[in-house]
Amino acid sequence: ETGVTQTPRHLVMGMTNKKSLKCEQHLGHNAMYWYKQSAKKPLELMFVYNFKEQTENNSVPSRFSPECPNSSHLFLHLHTLQPEDSALYLCASSQDSAGSPNEQFFGPGTRLTVL
Amino acid sequence: SQQGEEDPQALSIQEGENATMNCSYKTSINNLQWYRQNSGRGLVHLILIRSNEREKHSGRLRVTLDTSKKSSSLLITASRAADTASYFCATAANAGGTSYGKLTFGQGTILTVHP
Repeated sequence: ETGVTQTPRHLVMGMTNKKSLKCEQHLGHNAMYWYKQSAKKPLELMFVYNFKEQTENNSVPSRFSPECPNSSHLFLHLHTLQPEDSALYLCASSQDSAGSPNEQFFGPGTRLTVL
Repeated sequence: SQQGEEDPQALSIQEGENATMNCSYKTSINNLQWYRQNSGRGLVHLILIRSNEREKHSGRLRVTLDTSKKSSSLLITASRAADTASYFCATAANAGGTSYGKLTFGQGTILTVHP
């Protein structure tokens, strides 16, 4: 285990549903990330939070809404998604997003299917 | 094309053989990291090599970095069936730019080790 947990592990939702993905890290890190992994595409960085402040929004559609209430928890709120949003959503954490070497620890991911 | 492109896209070998994967990138980096991903799971950090290092070892892993050619290689010696996974390189940008601290992942090499 990497010390980063994600729930749920699998999620099927309709385009009109609202759901949330949860990520929790037990590593004492200050930075947390959301990535999207689609088939045959590189890992896409979506959002970065450093010390609870959003420092990166990589042109993500507004139907994805992140929330970071504290340095240990990260949420991704989903609403009115499209079928092309189906993917593996990975959460990661690191000591500090602005520092280096920035080794990241990943959760197991949430496999999202949008019908 | 992407920062961090792996080559080959897929590699199939027999147990006991060595596996070599290559990664090329385009911009200057602070460090380069290799990650492993078992099917449908999160990524696991394997090894990090800084821009001022040329070679690094960790168990059966050997990583080289050639900053003049903007390339890196990951060698897994005496492979095992359990090494079957996707392997990704990720580059971390230097300080001073907007990408500092962020990792950019390649598309990965799918390694299959046959027993």
